[in-house]
Amino acid sequence: GQNIDQPTEMTATEGAIVQINCTYQTSGFNGLFWYQQHAGEAPTFLSYNVLDGLEEKGRFSSFLSRSKGYSYLLLKELQMKDSASYLCAVRVPADKLIFGTGTRLQVFP
Amino acid sequence: NAGVMQNPRHLVRRRGQEARLRCSPMKGHSHVYWYRQLPEEGLKFMVYLQKENIIDESGMPKERFSAEFPKEGPSILRIQQVVRGDSAAYFCASSPPGQGGTFGSGTRLTVV
Repeated sequence: GQNIDQPTEMTATEGAIVQINCTYQTSGFNGLFWYQQHAGEAPTFLSYNVLDGLEEKGRFSSFLSRSKGYSYLLLKELQMKDSASYLCAVRVPADKLIFGTGTRLQVFP
Repeated sequence: NAGVMQNPRHLVRRRGQEARLRCSPMKGHSHVYWYRQLPEEGLKFMVYLQKENIIDESGMPKERFSAEFPKEGPSILRIQQVVRGDSAAYFCASSPPGQGGTFGSGTRLTVV
């Protein structure tokens, strides 16, 4: 079976740091993606991890541990515009993405 | 997102009618994926197509839903005899082989 878990909702303050966790159990693993989705819009690509470790891209970083079936997305220096849903997705054979239900992040001033 | 074109952006259908959703992939991309997102839920994989070939349709409902990606023209997701439960956002993603996909803006289907 395919199972991806992430918290449903999180809140944080402008300027703070927030970590969104994702655990997965899938039949096959060809990489893990994080997407950002604002209400009523399409998902936009944030990061991709296929090897263990941390990938940093500006204010956003993503970590992967394949042995633990675990990833997190770290958002630093939060801004109001970061209020959105963050989707964790695992690529499985044959190249399709299995998504979690998403974490709705609310950033307060 | 600009490269993957979906139309219409919004579609309203009465129960029992047919819905046709179109997706033109990014230039040079030969693979198309369709996902459905119900209100307040995550994206669910529906079908993966190459030109003239269905690679994986394990997420497609067994009845009323079909998809194609002809040699010429856009990919079409067709829903026959729509019901209220089909109301959702339908996203198309295109990629070259081995990539996760770039998403289109989606078609929001409302069945009344």
